Amino acid sequence: QLQLQESGPGLVRPSETLSLICTVSGGSIISSDHYWGWIRQFPGKGLEWIGSLYYSGRTHYNPSLKSRVTMSVDTSKNQFSLRLTSMTAADAAVYYCARDFGSPAPSDYWGQGILVTVSS
Amino acid sequence: DIVMTQSPDSLAVSLGERATINCKSSQTVLDRSNNKNYLAWYQQKPGQPPKLLIYWASTRQSGVPDRFSGSGSGTDFTLTISSLQAEDVAVYYCQQCYSTPRTFGQGTKVEIK
Repeated sequence: QLQLQESGPGLVRPSETLSLICTVSGGSIISSDHYWGWIRQFPGKGLEWIGSLYYSGRTHYNPSLKSRVTMSVDTSKNQFSLRLTSMTAADAAVYYCARDFGSPAPSDYWGQGILVTVSS
Repeated sequence: DIVMTQSPDSLAVSLGERATINCKSSQTVLDRSNNKNYLAWYQQKPGQPPKLLIYWASTRQSGVPDRFSGSGSGTDFTLTISSLQAEDVAVYYCQQCYSTPRTFGQGTKVEIK
């Protein structure tokens, strides 16, 4: 059974960079059929798609975040990562990693999520 | 961006009764080249990530009970729970993956009356 697990700091200071890792187990991140992505959920429960990437490194980003987002993949560790620069209080959310079963396609497997707070 | 609007925001239904949630997109999510609607429905229970229920507007994800069904095309879609069970209490979201950025509806909270 495929599992995804987010890891990283739960607290980030304003203006700093958030770095999260998603570890995939029970399956390979090297898959011609799947994309891997990040979605966040704000305290008011709204969901925002951050972006997705292919194992080759090809990426699709939300234009509203494109200037601050970098996603990358480490196939040797079966992991992919998210970097979000210049964090503000508006970026506080639960961050989920997920697998898309194609492109474009919805997300069929999700991590449990990691709560990120932005505070000094 | 394609704006997804769900209605109602919340819904209280008696056990065994039908629950209907609507989702409207600001632009079509139908790809006429393959006749596929890039519309999905998710269920989210407290403390859990969203769970994929329906994709391509009407295809049930493996393992999802058949009381859940999706319909619609173009810009107007519906999620129906034919006979509400206690375990269906959750927030339901629609999502379009027709264009970037993928966008979600605001969610509909389903409760027991």
